[in-house]
Amino acid sequence: EPEVTQTPSHQVTQMGQEVILRCVPISNHLYFYWYRQILGQKVEFLVSFYNNEISEKSEIFDDQFSVERPDGSNFTLKIRSTKLEDSAMYFCASSASPSDEETQYFGPGTRLLVL
Amino acid sequence: AQTVTQSQPEMSVQEAETVTLSCTYDTSESNYYLFWYKQPPSRQMILVIRQEAYKQQNATENRFSVNFQKAAKSFSLKISDSQLGDTAMYFCAFMKLRPGGYNKLIFGAGTRLAVHP
Repeated sequence: EPEVTQTPSHQVTQMGQEVILRCVPISNHLYFYWYRQILGQKVEFLVSFYNNEISEKSEIFDDQFSVERPDGSNFTLKIRSTKLEDSAMYFCASSASPSDEETQYFGPGTRLLVL
Repeated sequence: AQTVTQSQPEMSVQEAETVTLSCTYDTSESNYYLFWYKQPPSRQMILVIRQEAYKQQNATENRFSVNFQKAAKSFSLKISDSQLGDTAMYFCAFMKLRPGGYNKLIFGAGTRLAVHP
């Protein structure tokens, strides 16, 4: 069964460093999302991406964040200068296969720790 | 703005018993979807079940079923014949439908379910 994959599974970085989180969505999906979950809190929407551009972003998604689909398979989230409060689990999701347009399928997440 | 409320932070159930997790939501929209996602200790988010608001019939997936009360804005999840592998955090989520398909999920705070042998 097709699934969303994410790399790395864990990343530790120093405050102020740039990190890139990678996702490979399900191959025939058209819409891509990033969510984050700070430990013990609810899952929060960050950004949605369609047709090579951002379709919606939350107030969390400030100028330090960017997303890109550099090729036909990868979807990346970049944090330019990480802060302590960026420590969280980051989930990628994709949706819109021809038969199941509205359901979002999640990857296993990347646990980011900023020291 | 839409909100999703899960009023039970933790629940527990004996193996083979039935448990119901509550979820309420607030919206002025008429066209939306509702979802239950499961997050086991591995922290992967796994879709359990979904319900289209325009459908009156409650969704069912094997041992999982929902009680969707649109007027009351209530969307509870019933797990029958609970299994140890059902132990997880369960999130209720709301999705407003818009043209274009890029619809964000709004999650509740979650209910931690423990299934005991």
